[in-house]
Amino acid sequence: LAKTTQPISMDSYEGQEVNITCSHNNIATNDYITWYQQFPSQGPRFIIQGYKTKVTNEVASLFIPADRKSSTLSLPRVSLSDTAVYYCLVGPKGFGNEKLTFGTGTRLTIIP
Amino acid sequence: EPEVTQTPSHQVTQMGQEVILRCVPISNHLYFYWYRQILGQKVEFLVSFYNNEISEKSEIFDDQFSVERPDGSNFTLKIRSTKLEDSAMYFCASRQEPTNEKLFFGSGTQLSVL
Repeated sequence: LAKTTQPISMDSYEGQEVNITCSHNNIATNDYITWYQQFPSQGPRFIIQGYKTKVTNEVASLFIPADRKSSTLSLPRVSLSDTAVYYCLVGPKGFGNEKLTFGTGTRLTIIP
Repeated sequence: EPEVTQTPSHQVTQMGQEVILRCVPISNHLYFYWYRQILGQKVEFLVSFYNNEISEKSEIFDDQFSVERPDGSNFTLKIRSTKLEDSAMYFCASRQEPTNEKLFFGSGTQLSVL
């Protein structure tokens, strides 16, 4: 399983764009990159998944360079409600990804 | 968006007691999972369940743990004889098909073993 490295914490002001980078140097050819969000006392919530280049949905964008050794989750114009822990996971697209261990994640704090 | 529901939200028990944590997965989902998160630590996979049997389990899921789908809606995790180190947040998750990338998690049950 690919090991991931993320910053432990980040602070940002409301209205800013936030970029959280995840390193995964030993990503395998078949691996996908998936991001989850977790609020205190809540279960993780799926944000976005991608394999290469750029993926965008109504919540976030995911940028993956050609070598796929890192990825960046981009949250546009954050608000206080985006304060949460963000996890980067690397592994199968579907079946099998349920066994991935969520790492320590990045604790994002949005400042008013 | 549909939700996975877990009850109770908090459970306090004495060491050695049996506890049952309950989950109602999303109605058309077929694959069910339990996870554990000890305070301040990682979310860890415990077990996956499909077609009324365990598909896979982690090293954590030892003989004191069991899962069951007693009816068409509930999915339960039983801990037979709780230990202090079982204190954690337990999350249930589900998805419709194994190829779906998205797991839907419940809000969890905070288990405190005294």
